[in-house]
Amino acid sequence: DIQMTQSPSTLSASVGDSVTITCRASQSISTWLAWYQQKAGKAPKLLIYKASSLESGVPSRFSGSGSGTEFTLTISGLQPDDFATYYCQQYDGYSGTFGQGTKVEIK
Amino acid sequence: QVQLQESGPGLVKPSDTLSLTCAVSGYSISSSNYWGWIRQPPGEGLQWIGYIYYSGTTYYNPSLQSRVTMSVDTSKNQFSLRLNSVTAVDTAVYYCARTIGSHGAFDIWGQGTMVTVSS
Repeated sequence: DIQMTQSPSTLSASVGDSVTITCRASQSISTWLAWYQQKAGKAPKLLIYKASSLESGVPSRFSGSGSGTEFTLTISGLQPDDFATYYCQQYDGYSGTFGQGTKVEIK
Repeated sequence: QVQLQESGPGLVKPSDTLSLTCAVSGYSISSSNYWGWIRQPPGEGLQWIGYIYYSGTTYYNPSLQSRVTMSVDTSKNQFSLRLNSVTAVDTAVYYCARTIGSHGAFDIWGQGTMVTVSS
């Protein structure tokens, strides 16, 4: 099984800050990686797929990068609506492991 | 507008079978997408359960494979999940979702349905 490790688990930041979340895969997954945003009581929302492709309608302050085993999600200029929990998901070879999540909270 | 809606019992007894259905509207389930199930225990992270294609091809999480069955009904434009021999650890919000293209990231999600396993 492919394991996904996200860091940090919690991130405290202020409106306007730029933040980066890291996701590491236990083996190479090429660029088969997605990022989601989830708010309390809601279904996750797709932000990024194939490591760096921005989903339609998602603000351009969200960006993704990486390949192989190391990936990052960057939010450039946090907005009040961005305080939420973020998950990575690998989808290499018809499997679909999620990372454990990163909560972005207000400092 | 594509919409997915989960339905099924909110309470299941231990050792029984959990059965959920996901109705798809605004889109044909026979298109070139996979359809998946994901769950989230209270206060915890997301767990991928598996995918199904309209042809019936399935891929399951190895940790659940012995207890999971997914099926598709193209005539009703819906797909289903069965999880047998449930215990309290199967208590979770269960989501159905559509993948982008032939497999992968989930771009459209249902609202989720809470299933509690308790006697």
